[in-house]
Amino acid sequence: GESVGLHLPTLSVQEGDNSIINCAYSNSASDYFIWYKQESGKGPQFIIDIRSNMDKRQGQRVTVLLNKTVKHLSLQIAATQPGDSAVYFCAEKEAAGNKLTFGGGTRVLVKP
Amino acid sequence: DAGITQSPRYKITETGRQVTLMCHQTWSHSYMFWYRQDLGHGLRLIYYSAAADITDKGEVPDGYVVSRSKTENFPLTLESATRSQTSVYFCASSDPGQVSRYGYTFGSGTRLTVV
Repeated sequence: GESVGLHLPTLSVQEGDNSIINCAYSNSASDYFIWYKQESGKGPQFIIDIRSNMDKRQGQRVTVLLNKTVKHLSLQIAATQPGDSAVYFCAEKEAAGNKLTFGGGTRVLVKP
Repeated sequence: DAGITQSPRYKITETGRQVTLMCHQTWSHSYMFWYRQDLGHGLRLIYYSAAADITDKGEVPDGYVVSRSKTENFPLTLESATRSQTSVYFCASSDPGQVSRYGYTFGSGTRLTVV
């Protein structure tokens, strides 16, 4: 289940189960959204993106859902694997510019 | 090697010393960014640059200086390091036409400890 740790929210998930990571964004003028994965000791890496004219986009084992009505973004990871253990960040881009604003991140811990 | 590289990977310095973190990218991206990431927290923008010789403050610029004399390099200098600047520093780059396709590309980070 999801719990709020001392710093980052943490999602503990059993290997093989599906994970859902949530992100509330703030700017209704944002037109582009990205999910990043950050493994321990590394920089954030692009996973999947979605534009504001879409509500769902699928990649390999990952799906991003966008609900503009409530300004909510989610990342679903199917059949979570140990290699999915990382911190996941959402980012949004305002339509008028090229600057990304990052969310606080969620730590995913995969239990064997 | 192509990509974005940061150096050093790890640095320990004393309070009051000046230290410079280096960032080099080989794509000729016009945008470059410096972020700090503190334990258990998200990314906070320190400075960014839209092109050579153009820099601007981000969310937490105090105590930091940047320069961008060449497109490929964006060094970050701590003029007089303080313990509160102990953090992991990430450099990122992008182009105007790429932000809405790939976002930013990040380096591997520099872990700085100020003692």
